[in-house]
Amino acid sequence: NAGVTQTPKFRILKIGQSMTLQCAQDMNHNYMYWYRQDPGMGLKLIYYSVGAGITDKGEVPNGYNVSRSTTEDFPLRLELAAPSQTSVYFCASSYSDRAPGEKLFFGSGTQLSVL
Amino acid sequence: QQPVQSPQAVILREGEDAVINCSSSKALYSVHWYRQKHGEAPVFLMILLKGGEQKGHEKISASFNEKKQQSSLYLTASQLSYSGTYFCGTEFANRDDKIIFGKGTRLHILP
Repeated sequence: NAGVTQTPKFRILKIGQSMTLQCAQDMNHNYMYWYRQDPGMGLKLIYYSVGAGITDKGEVPNGYNVSRSTTEDFPLRLELAAPSQTSVYFCASSYSDRAPGEKLFFGSGTQLSVL
Repeated sequence: QQPVQSPQAVILREGEDAVINCSSSKALYSVHWYRQKHGEAPVFLMILLKGGEQKGHEKISASFNEKKQQSSLYLTASQLSYSGTYFCGTEFANRDDKIIFGKGTRLHILP
């Protein structure tokens, strides 16, 4: 099993450009999350999804969009990149049928710089 | 809503003990603990699900005080491999499916 796969690993964008961060998992997990990590700020939840076709906002959703058309994929879209979106982005997934105690599996991250 | 972790940073000598605290202003359903090495993804340590629950993993254990909305992570006889940043992640009692993380505690172990 590959687990949670994120692409690309690194990317430099110019201000105003758009891009999609890809996230795929092969564990048949129904819950998926996008976090961003800035130095000293911890992990901030951007968006999350509890299943195909269902998404919801997290703590810092402005400037981002997501979709979940399949169980496996959960792409994160930046429409008009801004320097404030320079960060490391982590995708995570977990299996949950509302049973307690499901841990998060994290991807290896995407380091994004907006210049 | 972000849980508060304390201390922000700890420096220990190998073999010493450490306690990392995580407190929430909202009622909690569960608390997750993860460790992150520099340049890597967070790695799961343990989940605590109910008040008073304690879990252990070798020399790393944790407790969850549901009434006080707090959890503590205990590292006993620390090893060099324990160095990294520790994060608590909280799921609120209303089961809104969000897992919100604290800012982290940086732990550095000296030989």
